[in-house]
Amino acid sequence: SQQGEEDPQALSIQEGENATMNCSYKTSINNLQWYRQNSGRGLVHLILIRSNEREKHSGRLRVTLDTSKKSSSLLITASRAADTASYFCATSGNTPLVFGKGTRLSVIA
Amino acid sequence: GAVVSQHPSRVICKSGTSVKIECRSLDFQATTMFWYRQFPKQSLMLMATSNEGSKATYEQGVEKDKFLINHASLTLSTLTVTSAHPEDSSFYICSAREWGGNTEAFFGQGTRLTVV
Repeated sequence: SQQGEEDPQALSIQEGENATMNCSYKTSINNLQWYRQNSGRGLVHLILIRSNEREKHSGRLRVTLDTSKKSSSLLITASRAADTASYFCATSGNTPLVFGKGTRLSVIA
Repeated sequence: GAVVSQHPSRVICKSGTSVKIECRSLDFQATTMFWYRQFPKQSLMLMATSNEGSKATYEQGVEKDKFLINHASLTLSTLTVTSAHPEDSSFYICSAREWGGNTEAFFGQGTRLTVV
């Protein structure tokens, strides 16, 4: 069963703006991961944040994790048209990755 | 990062035939691989967990006789869609972890299956 739930389901912004996506989950986790998927393609791993971490950065990406609220956010700064894709969070305990429904991000040039 | 190769990337088959999809970990050993199915604009739904040298573990609602999984080596898992029907048309993605449960998963490129 799916555990992660992203919101919003769809987000449209102008190039250069920041994009924020949120993810909520239900059970305890070892880590939470964010993935990107271009239309009709496989998934690309973006960033992993462990349950004992609160914030992590990677280039233009910033991820936060609040285990008390069972939520995470992904911030993409200075967005580019090439960032247009679907973004999924996935949670991992001792089980396979369970994915949310994803946020479809459209960055308009 | 590690590379997972999935083949074929796209396949069209006739109803009633079987299709095999391969998932290979190219530069690491994967004792466990996962098979997901994705419908258009939907999330990835876990179908089964493939364990090297043993039977796969299927998620509820997934027919094990319909979707045959074989994990014969530490670098190869196969998914065979048997007696395919148009409703089996979907995007299938495999995933593998190098070790443990606290590391990122690496994904294949996906296979677009169309049953006509």
